[in-house]
Amino acid sequence: AQSVTQPDIHITVSEGASLELRCNYSYGATPYLFWYVQSPGQGLQLLLKYFSGDTLVQGIKGFEAEFKRSQSSFNLRKPSVHWSDAAEYFCAVGTNTGKLIFGQGTTLQVKP
Amino acid sequence: NAGVTQTPKFRVLKTGQSMTLLCAQDMNHEYMYWYRQDPGMGLRLIHYSVGEGTTAKGEVPDGYNVSRLKKQNFLLGLESAAPSQTSVYFCASSYPKGRAFFGQGTRLTVV
Repeated sequence: AQSVTQPDIHITVSEGASLELRCNYSYGATPYLFWYVQSPGQGLQLLLKYFSGDTLVQGIKGFEAEFKRSQSSFNLRKPSVHWSDAAEYFCAVGTNTGKLIFGQGTTLQVKP
Repeated sequence: NAGVTQTPKFRVLKTGQSMTLLCAQDMNHEYMYWYRQDPGMGLRLIHYSVGEGTTAKGEVPDGYNVSRLKKQNFLLGLESAAPSQTSVYFCASSYPKGRAFFGQGTRLTVV
C-alpha cells in the first residue's frame, strides 16, 4: 500500500536559518509528489509539485524540493526562514489510480 | 469562480444521528476526495472518486459512504455518527495528476 512518512512532527528554527523538512514515501511506481502548507485555521496551499523531469523543483515563497528516487524521498528546503513561514507542512504522494495520500504533517515554529 | 465549496461549515451531531456533507466544485475536475484531519494524524483519505459514478475506498473508509452522481458533486454520508468521527473534514478536487484544490473544511462534533 502507498504511504507517506514525515519523520519530524515538530521543528523549531531561528528566523534566517535554513530549513529542511523530510518526506519519505512508499509506492511501487513513479509517484507524483506535492508539498502543501496549512496556516492555523486555514485550508491547504500548494507549495510545489513534482511529476517528472528535473528532480529539483522550485515552488512559491522561496521553497524548493528534491526528488531522490533511490531514497524514496522528497525533502522540502528553504535557505532562509521567515517568521511568516510558521505553519504545518504536508507532503503528499499521488498514484496512477488517482489516490492522493498525505503524510502526518510537520509543524514548523520560527524563533525570532 | 467559487472553487471547492463545502456545506455545512460546522455541525454538531448526537451519537447515532446521520448526516451528509456536500462538496461542490466548479472547475470540471475529474477527481474528488474526502479527508479527515485530526491532530497529529495529518489528512487521512476517507474515500475518493476518479469520475462521475465511480468511488473508491481510501485509508479510513469505515463508517462513511460516498456518492458521485454528478461530476461536480461529491457527497460524504455518516449513517450512524460516533464520537470517533469528530473531526475536521476536507474535500478536494483535481485533474488527473494535477494539484488538489481544497475546500475550507467542515468542523463536525459528535456528542
